Amino acid sequence: EDQVTQSPEALRLQEGESSSLNCSYTVSGLRGLFWYRQDPGKGPEFLFTLYSAGEEKEKERLKATLTKKESFLHITAPKPEDSATYLCAVGPKIQAGTALIFGKGTTLSVSS
Amino acid sequence: NAGVTQTPKFQVLKTGQSMTLQCAQDMNHEYMSWYRQDPGMGLRLIHYSVGAGITDQGEVPNGYNVSRSTTEDFPLRLLSAAPSQTSVYFCASSYGQNNQPQHFGDGTRLSIL
Repeated sequence: EDQVTQSPEALRLQEGESSSLNCSYTVSGLRGLFWYRQDPGKGPEFLFTLYSAGEEKEKERLKATLTKKESFLHITAPKPEDSATYLCAVGPKIQAGTALIFGKGTTLSVSS
Repeated sequence: NAGVTQTPKFQVLKTGQSMTLQCAQDMNHEYMSWYRQDPGMGLRLIHYSVGAGITDQGEVPNGYNVSRSTTEDFPLRLLSAAPSQTSVYFCASSYGQNNQPQHFGDGTRLSIL
C-alpha cells in the first residue's frame, strides 16, 4: 500500500537552531515527491519537487533531499516566519483513483 | 495572478441540505482534484478530473458529486449534508497527474449542524 509518514509530528526550535524534518514513503513507481508549506487558514503552498534519489533543491533557508525511501527537509538557521506546517506528498504511478498521497505533516514552531 | 479560487470561504449547513463548492483555475491546467482535510487525518482525495468531461473517484467519494464541463471549473456537490462532512475542503490543479506539483486554493471551511 502506498503511504507517507512524516516525523516528528511537531517540532519546536529556537531562532537559528537548525534541524531536519523527515518524510518516509512506500510507493509503487514514484513519479515525484513534493514538499509544501501550509499556514493556518490557508491552502498548501508548493515548495519543491524531487524526482530521483540523490536530487537536492534549495530555497532560502530550506533544502530538500531525496533517497529511495525517504526525503528530508533541512531548515538552516530558522526564523519565526518559518513557523508553519510542512507537508510531504508522493505521486504514485498512474492508475484509477490515484493522486498525490500526503503525509499528515510536521508542525514547526520557531521562537525568537 | 489568481491561480486557484474557491468559493465560499466559509459555510454552515443543516443536516440534509445540499450545496455546491466552487473551484476555478486560470492556469489552463488539465488536472484538478478535491481534497478534504481533517485534524489528524491529513489530506484525503475525494474526486479528481484529468480533463473536461472526465472525472473519477478518489479515496473518500461517498456523499459527493463532481462534474467538469470546462477546463477552468471543477465544482464539488454535497448531495445531502451530514455532520461527518464537516471539514476543510481544498481544490487543487496541476499540469500533470502525479508527476507535477498541485496548486491549491485557500479552502472552504464547511460546518454541518
